Amino acid sequence: NAGVTQTPKFQVLKTGQSMTLQCAQDMNHNSMYWYRQDPGMGLRLIYYSASEGTTDKGEVPNGYNVSRLNKREFSLRLESAAPSQTSVYFCASQYRVPYGYTFGSGTRLTVV
Amino acid sequence: AQKVTQAQTEISVVEKEDVTLDCVYETRDTTYYLFWYKQPPSGELVFLIRRNSFDEQNEISGRYSWNFQKSTSSFNFTITASQVVDSAVYFCALSEPTAGGTSYGKLTFGQGTILTVHP
Repeated sequence: NAGVTQTPKFQVLKTGQSMTLQCAQDMNHNSMYWYRQDPGMGLRLIYYSASEGTTDKGEVPNGYNVSRLNKREFSLRLESAAPSQTSVYFCASQYRVPYGYTFGSGTRLTVV
Repeated sequence: AQKVTQAQTEISVVEKEDVTLDCVYETRDTTYYLFWYKQPPSGELVFLIRRNSFDEQNEISGRYSWNFQKSTSSFNFTITASQVVDSAVYFCALSEPTAGGTSYGKLTFGQGTILTVHP
């Protein structure tokens, strides 16, 4: 099915470990986004890529890096995981501004 | 700075009741976009509607309707004759132009309202 695919769906990390969250879309969308969802705080933007080859910081970028590998793929990397990064991470893509997003199914990350 | 407030943390209704979810926003811009998203228990987020700041017409889609009022900076969502399948978390979101006015892609989300519809 067409859409946004995120991997993995669940992950447990120890403090200090690193990992990369993968996101791919097959809808030829131009913009892609990474959000985190925490209880009572809605979704907050970590990083985004308005188009292939560009990335920009969002509201909460500290502790994260991103790569827009090509038009389809946008990965999020945690270099040294901290318990404060325990969250549900959502990737989203957007055909063009200001259309609605298509979200992936999310990655539930726990850092112990 | 932009802000979206959904004052209702949780709402509980019985099936067939009408329910309104409130959304109030703050922005300094004259051009902006407002959105509603639904997050059912499965966890995925689903886009419901987009409204631009120049269009204050109310919108109706089946049992769903949206009331946009610039005078009160509100974009409320009403579900008529609610059903158990409407149980979800609903998010209101605001898009403003980035610095330089080049993009409206980034969203600021409200905290979400948990709607539970009992049979």
